[in-house]
Amino acid sequence: SAVISQKPSRDICQRGTSLTIQCQVDSQVTMMFWYRQQPGQSLTLIATANQGSEATYESGFVIDKFPISRPNLTFSTLTVSNMSPEDSSIYLCSGGRTESTEAFFGQGTRLTVV
Amino acid sequence: GQNIDQPTEMTATEGAIVQINCTYQTSGFNGLFWYQQHAGEAPTFLSYNVLDGLEEKGRFSSFLSRSKGYSYLLLKELQMKDSASYLCAVRDSNYQLIWGAGTKLIIKP
Repeated sequence: SAVISQKPSRDICQRGTSLTIQCQVDSQVTMMFWYRQQPGQSLTLIATANQGSEATYESGFVIDKFPISRPNLTFSTLTVSNMSPEDSSIYLCSGGRTESTEAFFGQGTRLTVV
Repeated sequence: GQNIDQPTEMTATEGAIVQINCTYQTSGFNGLFWYQQHAGEAPTFLSYNVLDGLEEKGRFSSFLSRSKGYSYLLLKELQMKDSASYLCAVRDSNYQLIWGAGTKLIIKP
């Protein structure tokens, strides 16, 4: 398995501002994903972070709102842009290897937009 | 479309056994995962099934039937700390994890 360090763990932000969340993996992983989780609900995939190229976004999520970077196989960032209260949620990054039987998660970022 | 169904909530008694079911319809299949998630924490890996049958890991077991699109997670000798949400996820042909909504398990003394 691998360990993912995600930061910040929580933040309270003003509407209209942006927040960048970082995930650092302690070993190379093939796949990295960004999820959003509303309280009491399951995980919703925002996008797959692709190394060296644009992320692949799921329906309902766009690059202008959630720009993602992945400069190498151990690091990725997600920016939540022009935030509104509806963006208040937990954001999770996840990593995995195609040959692995496990996906591991960062600790999550609890975002509150006021 | 892709779909994973599991019960929303279950209640069980400390020391007892509980079975959490999961049915799925996905584009391709590259394994089924069970995760445990305590409130306010990230999911943690419990089990993985890619072939039909039962995988046992201590108090937890997971079963898979690919022909039926069905899995269950069996928890034995329940402890209060087992109170959590249990998430079923299937890895599809693109190696993406498709997640169920989770089953909230409440353990009563």
